[in-house]
Amino acid sequence: DGGITQSPKYLFRKEGQNVTLSCEQNLNHDAMYWYRQDPGQGLRLIYYSQIVNDFQKGDIAEGYSVSREKKESFPLTVTSAQKNPTAFYLCASRYSGAPPRGTDTQYFGPGTRLTVL
Amino acid sequence: AQSVTQLDSQVPVFEEAPVELRCNYSSSVSVYLFWYVQYPNQGLQLLLKYLSGSTLVKGINGFEAEFNKSQTSFHLRKPSVHISDTAEYFCAVIQDTGNQFYFGTGTSLTVIP
Repeated sequence: DGGITQSPKYLFRKEGQNVTLSCEQNLNHDAMYWYRQDPGQGLRLIYYSQIVNDFQKGDIAEGYSVSREKKESFPLTVTSAQKNPTAFYLCASRYSGAPPRGTDTQYFGPGTRLTVL
Repeated sequence: AQSVTQLDSQVPVFEEAPVELRCNYSSSVSVYLFWYVQYPNQGLQLLLKYLSGSTLVKGINGFEAEFNKSQTSFHLRKPSVHISDTAEYFCAVIQDTGNQFYFGTGTSLTVIP
């Protein structure tokens, strides 16, 4: 089955620890995204990547880091510098190649809920 | 940059009644528009999208939306809701030459039996 997988579904972290969230897609999509979701605030963009070995900061990149060594994978590290990391994290991907533009849709993974203890 | 406004944070509606969830966006350039649905502790699922052509777009689960360029709106409608429609709904926009999506803050739809 084609799709996006995120692991783990639930993650607990002690204050001061770094933690890495996994995101893998087998849709052959070029672009991948990480969002943070908090109640009442919708989705806020953390980082996105259009191609391998390249990524851009989103609106709330401070305290986070990413890598894009493979087209299929876009892991997100939540560092100890992130002051309020407890949230629901969503990964998404989309095809961003040449037209037809009917493939502009973002496809989302099931999410990872991170709780800092 | 674009912005998306979902004016209603919560919408309660009785089962089998019609519903409209409002979405307005701000952009001076051409955009693509999307509605997503999210069930508790899950990712987002695409309901429908407007890219071009007919301004009335039909999606899954009986939902439809109408693109109104002059009012910069993309309201979501369903003529008769079901209990299973209870979920969070997000409107999103992307510039037609852009790479970043902008999401509204969401509308929580609760269908009352």
